[in-house]
Amino acid sequence: GAGVSQSPSNKVTEKGKDVELRCDPISGHTALYWYRQSLGQGLEFLIYFQGNSAPDKSGLPSDRFSAERTGGSVSTLTIQRTQQEDSAVYLCASSQQTDSNSGNTIYFGEGSWLTVV
Amino acid sequence: GQNIDQPTEMTATEGAIVQINCTYQTSGFNGLFWYQQHAGEAPTFLSYNVLDGLEEKGRFSSFLSRSKGYSYLLLKELQMKDSASYLCAVRGTYKYIFGTGTRLKVLA
Repeated sequence: GAGVSQSPSNKVTEKGKDVELRCDPISGHTALYWYRQSLGQGLEFLIYFQGNSAPDKSGLPSDRFSAERTGGSVSTLTIQRTQQEDSAVYLCASSQQTDSNSGNTIYFGEGSWLTVV
Repeated sequence: GQNIDQPTEMTATEGAIVQINCTYQTSGFNGLFWYQQHAGEAPTFLSYNVLDGLEEKGRFSSFLSRSKGYSYLLLKELQMKDSASYLCAVRGTYKYIFGTGTRLKVLA
C-alpha cells in the first residue's frame, strides 16, 4: 500500500480481555517495528521483524504480549489479559532496510489507540 | 546503556529560528533521525544524518557530530504549524531508539 496501515484505529476493551492489533506495512518493506507510546511519553520499542523472523523481542513488556508476521507482510500484535497500564498508542513502522549497515528511514502508521477500562 | 537526551519543552516566536539539541549514547550507530509529531498523530520523518555535518532541507536543517554524540535540528522562519513534538532517534544495528521528544510551542 501507499503507507503503513493499522487497524483498529481505536479500541476500548475491558480489563482481562485479549486484543489484536494489525499492521500492514508499505509494500516491499522487509523490516517492521512495533512501538508503544503512552500519553505524553516517548516511543518505547517493542519488537522488530526482518521478513517473518523477529530477531529482537526484547522490548515486549511481559509474556502477555506477542507478535507475529506472515508472508513477510502483515503483522499482528496480540495482548492477552489486558491491564489498564496497557492503555497507549501502539505504533507500527516499516522500512526497506535489508542489512544492518543501511540507514533506511522508518515510516509510521497512524497508530492503534488502545484504552483498557 | 543506551540514552538519548533532548530538552522537554521549548518556546519560540513566529518568524524566529529555534535550535533543538539532542545528545546520545548508544551501542552502535547507523544514523540519526529527526521526526515531527503533532498531538494525536503519528511521527513523520524530517531528516537523517549519518555523516558529520549539516543537512539542509528547506526551513529545516540537521547537524551531526558523531565524535561528540550530538545533533541539533534547526528550524527557520517558524510558523504556527511548527508547534509539535520533535523526536530525535538513533539507529543502532537495526533498532531505532527514540528520545522522549521536545515539545515546541510557537507563539504569535
